[in-house]
Amino acid sequence: SQQGEEDPQALSIQEGENATMNCSYKTSINNLQWYRQNSGRGLVHLILIRSNEREKHSGRLRVTLDTSKKSSSLLITASRAADTASYFCATSYTGFQKLVFGTGTRLLVSP
Amino acid sequence: EAQVTQNPRYLITVTGKKLTVTCSQNMNHEYMSWYRQDPGLGLRQIYYSMNVEVTDKGDVPEGYKVSRKEKRNFPLILESPSPNQTSLYFCASSLNRAETQYFGPGTRLLVL
Repeated sequence: SQQGEEDPQALSIQEGENATMNCSYKTSINNLQWYRQNSGRGLVHLILIRSNEREKHSGRLRVTLDTSKKSSSLLITASRAADTASYFCATSYTGFQKLVFGTGTRLLVSP
Repeated sequence: EAQVTQNPRYLITVTGKKLTVTCSQNMNHEYMSWYRQDPGLGLRQIYYSMNVEVTDKGDVPEGYKVSRKEKRNFPLILESPSPNQTSLYFCASSLNRAETQYFGPGTRLLVL
């Protein structure tokens, strides 16, 4: 399977703490994307990082990409209760006509 | 407002009764796709379309059909639904296969 894998599957933290989620994948990619899904709703795009980039920021989000280790991490700083959601990585593999989504990390941020 | 719309949002049906879930986008995107989401399995692609009249199978196409007669619309057809097609379905569109995908709100389907 080409599916990426997120780690951990679930994460529970307090408001104000940082949350880190990891994604590993298998073969060469064009880009890697992170999405957020609030319970039962559609996925919302967060960040896209290309294979020639190593780090990107968007507000409280920081994404890193290590192509040598075939892994990416999503860091949410100073988390809020509203960050409670599932987070998915999706990889665009070289030569494939689609994005492949991982199974997600469920993040719970408690007030 | 740029968006992807799906209808219906919720649907309960019985085995064998044909149904269609509509999907429409107003962003002039060429690429559209359908996913199903099941607990523990993440999102799996059912079908995708690179452009009008160009469609292809994803990872789990069995039991589904699609068509792309217009750029904005990409309906998902279940000719003879079965209980194992009970799932949460998402339509998505993007400029191309590798770029940011914009998702619809989802259609929750229950097949009895």
